[in-house]
Amino acid sequence: NAGVTQTPKFQVLKTGQSMTLQCAQDMNHEYMSWYRQDPGMGLRLIHYSVGAGITDQGEVPNGYNVSRSTTEDFPLRLLSAAPSQTSVYFCASSPDSVRGTEAFFGQGTRLTVV
Amino acid sequence: GDSVTQMEGPVTLSEEAFLTINCTYTATGYPSLFWYVQYPGEGLQLLLKATKADDKGSNKGFEATYRKETTSFHLEKGSVQVSDSAVYFCALPNSGNTPLVFGKGTRLSVIA
Repeated sequence: NAGVTQTPKFQVLKTGQSMTLQCAQDMNHEYMSWYRQDPGMGLRLIHYSVGAGITDQGEVPNGYNVSRSTTEDFPLRLLSAAPSQTSVYFCASSPDSVRGTEAFFGQGTRLTVV
Repeated sequence: GDSVTQMEGPVTLSEEAFLTINCTYTATGYPSLFWYVQYPGEGLQLLLKATKADDKGSNKGFEATYRKETTSFHLEKGSVQVSDSAVYFCALPNSGNTPLVFGKGTRLSVIA
């Protein structure tokens, strides 16, 4: 059971380039979310999804797009990378929307924008 | 919305010392509360949780008690080891259907 898989693990982009961070889970979880982790800021929610075809914005959505066409996959797209998007990105999934459900995290993608 | 405040780090302790990391929360109702741990170079993993007031979550020698009256969920361990060096996050589900909201994290370093 692989859990939550993120690719790539590391990425360097030039300002203005676009890319997609991949996230896949094999636990049949309805909930998926993307966070970014910055020093001194903890984890901040970017976007989340409560099921296939349904997404919503989190605390820091600007500059990012998401879609959820299948239960398993939840890619995060950077439209035009900026140095402020240099961060570590984590994808998480959880079984349902009931409050109190544990989240499972991927290993993270470390992104540097130069 | 709901929020979590946890003590700032970093915290440096000698092996076998007692650990407390404070966490207080603001929430609608009585959600479950969580502590997650992030070891160097890894993602977050659940350390322990408590689902209702006065519950005590425990795992790997760590404990935390859900205190409704003080809205707190402090993490404790009686004798830390070098292998406990990590970043610890307090978390709770946000109101409605939104995912977990996290504290800013506390970096713990344990020296031999």
